[in-house]
Amino acid sequence: AQSVTQLGSHVSVSEGALVLLRCNYSSSVPPYLFWYVQYPNQGLQLLLKYTTGATLVKGINGFEAEFKKSETSFHLTKPSAHMSDAAEYFCAVSVTQGAQKLVFGQGTRLTINP
Amino acid sequence: ETGVTQSPTHLIKTRGQQVTLRCSSQSGHNTVSWYQQALGQGPQFIFQYYREEENGRGNFPPRFSGLQFPNYSSELNVNALELDDSALYLCASRAPLLSNEQFFGPGTRLTVL
Repeated sequence: AQSVTQLGSHVSVSEGALVLLRCNYSSSVPPYLFWYVQYPNQGLQLLLKYTTGATLVKGINGFEAEFKKSETSFHLTKPSAHMSDAAEYFCAVSVTQGAQKLVFGQGTRLTINP
Repeated sequence: ETGVTQSPTHLIKTRGQQVTLRCSSQSGHNTVSWYQQALGQGPQFIFQYYREEENGRGNFPPRFSGLQFPNYSSELNVNALELDDSALYLCASRAPLLSNEQFFGPGTRLTVL
């Protein structure tokens, strides 16, 4: 069964520092992978997605992620953190079993220190 | 283009009561999914509706039920509410051709006392 593991429930970085949020997936078929961001008291906003093709995916707000099949990873990075990046981040894999659903990781809370 | 909307924003119920949550899908999207997000957790898939029929369900009991209407809007109904049903309920819609991307609404925060 497809699953997602996010390493680190809480990540704290300084403003201007590199952001690295880790995601590993388990899938028996080529996966569709997603990163979503959730600000307090809001729904989920898509940051970026990998379906096929280029393994380095660029998203909104300066984020990018690299699909590494050999490592079953899809880590999210941003070169320079901004205070507005503080939020909860979710990695997800798309699963088709009758319905097409998203299976989410537990989430990583990103805190930015001034 | 109007995004996914949900109502109400917040809701407080007592144990044993019934609740109905509503979702309007994004224009042109004919597939709607519902997710439950407990505090500190990732969203969990409840079920999906396509052309007014449920076509997939997660690990939720039958007291969680839904409807989809001809205009693709949807309802989530929960009977015999339990304390553990307290969560953020998210609705997501999907376009027929962009089938791998789901667009989420802002959610309904349900508190069961």
